[in-house]
Amino acid sequence: AQSVTQLGSHVSVSEGALVLLRCNYSSSVPPYLFWYVQYPNQGLQLLLKYTTGATLVKGINGFEAEFKKSETSFHLTKPSAHMSDAAEYFCAVTLSAGNNRKLIWGLGTSLAVNP
Amino acid sequence: EAQVTQNPRYLITVTGKKLTVTCSQNMNHEYMSWYRQDPGLGLRQIYYSMNVEVTDKGDVPEGYKVSRKEKRNFPLILESPSPNQTSLYFCASSPRPGLGNTIYFGEGSWLTVV
Repeated sequence: AQSVTQLGSHVSVSEGALVLLRCNYSSSVPPYLFWYVQYPNQGLQLLLKYTTGATLVKGINGFEAEFKKSETSFHLTKPSAHMSDAAEYFCAVTLSAGNNRKLIWGLGTSLAVNP
Repeated sequence: EAQVTQNPRYLITVTGKKLTVTCSQNMNHEYMSWYRQDPGLGLRQIYYSMNVEVTDKGDVPEGYKVSRKEKRNFPLILESPSPNQTSLYFCASSPRPGLGNTIYFGEGSWLTVV
């Protein structure tokens, strides 16, 4: 069965510091991987996704993630945190079979950025 | 502007009083779904629809109904709401089946059942 684990439900960084949000998945077939962001009182918005091709994926707002098959990971990074990055971040992987476009979601990581 | 629109955004209701949360998308997407988000439980899918008149249960369908009479609309119906349905609800839509397609979310509907 596919699953997604986000290590750390809360992460706190200083403004200007590196952001690293961890995501590991389990899948019996090559996965499609996503990171979504949820700003306060808003819906989820796609940050970036990996489908095929280059394993380093660049997204919006300076975020990027690298698909590492050997480590079954898809960690999200940003070199320098901004106050506006404070939000909830969700990692997700697609279901490998069937017609339902259902993503398997991680439980989310809340990112706090301190001045 | 491409968007998924939900209404109401905030609602407090009483146990047993039927309510409907509307959802509309303007992207001509075939696929639509409803999620609920609860602390510590993440996002859980309630129902989904592959196209008009085609709906199916997600992970937590109990206590909910849906309908898909038009492509753009996918209302969520709580026939007899109970306090355990207090949650943040999201409607979402996506293009035709393809595992790498982006899912677009509405801004959410906060529902409190007292």
